[in-house]
This record gives sequence, structure tokens and C-alpha cells, in this order.
Amino acid sequence: EVQLVESGGDLVQPGRSLRLSCGASGFTVDDYAMHWVRQAPGKGLEWVSGIGWNSGSIGYADSVKGRFTISRDNAKNSLYLQMNSLRPEDTALYFCAKDVGPDIVVVLGGTVFDQWGQGTLVTVSA
Amino acid sequence: DIQMTQSPSSLSASVGDRVTITCRASQTIDTYLNWYQQTPGLAPKLLIYAASSLQSGVPSSFSGSGSGTHFTLTISSLQPEDFATYYCQQSYSTPLTFGGGTKVEIK
Repeated sequence: EVQLVESGGDLVQPGRSLRLSCGASGFTVDDYAMHWVRQAPGKGLEWVSGIGWNSGSIGYADSVKGRFTISRDNAKNSLYLQMNSLRPEDTALYFCAKDVGPDIVVVLGGTVFDQWGQGTLVTVSA
Repeated sequence: DIQMTQSPSSLSASVGDRVTITCRASQTIDTYLNWYQQTPGLAPKLLIYAASSLQSGVPSSFSGSGSGTHFTLTISSLQPEDFATYYCQQSYSTPLTFGGGTKVEIK
């Protein structure tokens, strides 16, 4: 059974940093791209970032570019999101999601999020 | 960026009703369109990928159609467990974007 378990969410002050983790099991992590998708309280879904199977392809939403860094450690079956210079508008439930393909492709990529974790809550407030 | 617009934003329906949700893209995305279902407090669940392909394990009461800029998700006979929020997502280009969601409520 595929499982994705996020951790690291917390209450932090604006301008501070936080690192999220996602542990994966039940599938060969090396074969697939992985993503972070967030959902602000009472709002819709927003793609944050994605990373290819060998970290050779990476993409970010404009809203987090230059502040967030995605990474992965296939040996540890883990995905990470380093979040710096946090803002109140980054407050959200952060989901880890598995892709059906291996890479982040800028055009005609066909990304499909076929498995999701339950999310970890990040609250940015003074 | 490709903007995805869903309509309606919410609807009320009864068990057994046929429900159709529309998703429009701001530019052509061929059939690079996926649909997800989210029940309150839970993670989203993939229903339909590539506009019309049913994800394994999803009831056949769900179907998707469309190409280019206009897409639809249809539930042929609404069941109690189908009351949820539905999102479309384009996978044509990054940044990947979602529609605003359609909340299906019990009438």
C-alpha cells in the first residue's frame, strides 16, 4: 500500500524558516517525480513545487520561487521542502503528492497526482 | 500561467441526481486535464486523468470529457459518499494550476 506521511508543520513567525518532510513507502520512490501542493484554510489547491526522480528537473510556483527549495533523498524514501522568509500568506496545509511520471516537464508533461499524504499544517503568524 | 475556471462554484443535489461540473482553461491544453475529489478533512483523491480516463478503483458513475479549453466531469447518479469538493487541474505546462473547486452539497 502506498503511503505518504508529511511532518514538520508548525506555528512560525513571519520571516522565519521551516523544513517539511515527506516519508514514502509502498512504491519505488526512485521511479517517480514528487510534489508539494498546499491548501490555505477554506481555500482551493495550489501547486507549490515538484522534483524529478533524480532531482534533475525541478519546478516552483512563482509565489514561492527564491524562497522555497525542494529536495529529495531516494535512499531515505524522503521528500523535503525548505521554506525560508515565510509570509502569512504561506499559511496552509501542505500535501506531499506522488506523480505518475518520472520528471518535471515544462510543457506537455502530463503531471498527475495519483497519491497524496494527509498533509502537515504550517501557520505563519506573529 | 494557465488559468482554470470551474463552474458552478457550488451546487445542491439529491442522491440519484445526475451532476455535471465544467472546467475551462485560459488556453488550449489538449487533454492534459485531471479531476480530483476532496472530502472535508481528507486529502484529494484522483478520479479522472487525461480528461477521460477513469482512475483504478473509481466508480464508473464518474466520467470526464472534453479537450482544448472546455472540460466536464459528470456523476451519473449521485451517491451519499459523492458529496465533496471537486477540482480540475491542468498538466499541460508548469506552473501546474487547479480550478477553484466545485462544492457538491446535499439538497
